[in-house]
Amino acid sequence: EAAVTQSPRSKVAVTGGKVTLSCHQTNNHDYMYWYRQDTGHGLRLIHYSYVADSTEKGDIPDGYKASRPSQENFSLILELASLSQTAVYFCASSERGSQNTLYFGAGTRLSVL
Amino acid sequence: QQNVQQSPESLIVPEGARTSLNCTFSDSASQYFWWYRQHSGKAPKALMSIFSNGEKEEGRFTIHLNKASLHFSLHIRDSQPSDSALYLCAVDTNAYKVIFGKGTHLHVLP
Repeated sequence: EAAVTQSPRSKVAVTGGKVTLSCHQTNNHDYMYWYRQDTGHGLRLIHYSYVADSTEKGDIPDGYKASRPSQENFSLILELASLSQTAVYFCASSERGSQNTLYFGAGTRLSVL
Repeated sequence: QQNVQQSPESLIVPEGARTSLNCTFSDSASQYFWWYRQHSGKAPKALMSIFSNGEKEEGRFTIHLNKASLHFSLHIRDSQPSDSALYLCAVDTNAYKVIFGKGTHLHVLP
């Protein structure tokens, strides 16, 4: 079974603070994704990457940065956390993009106070 | 911009019932169609996929795809309480991206 590990599993942050969410995959997959889940909105794509050292904007990138330093690692960075960024964040990987299954991590529950 | 809509938003059925979940999409060029299932507090997990018009069956689950109608559906035969979850449909929007619907909450009553 493909393995995607997220850390931390939960975090409380203060408004205006910096938050970094980390994701590590051992699937040898090229594609990695960050999604946000809010009640009533399903999963929305924030950033994605199909090769190390390169990231692409998803559908809701404002307020978020991403970093892909290696094939295995993909981080999501909130430089100035805001109340509206309280949500559950999921990282996922896939072998070759949209034609392949997405394997999700367990999620990070972020609360910004 | 791909638009993916699911219906109904929530569904309550008795154990043993046949359940139908629907998903519509807006981009006629889409090629890959997925259903994911997410139990409460857990990660979404792929359930089934279909890549060509028609029907695909795996156990109690069946997907129907009609590209001309921009519609696909998931049917669950003999629904079980363990099927209670959030069901998310997903559609490709290009070679890299997959867009999800908002989900259908299914509750199967024992």
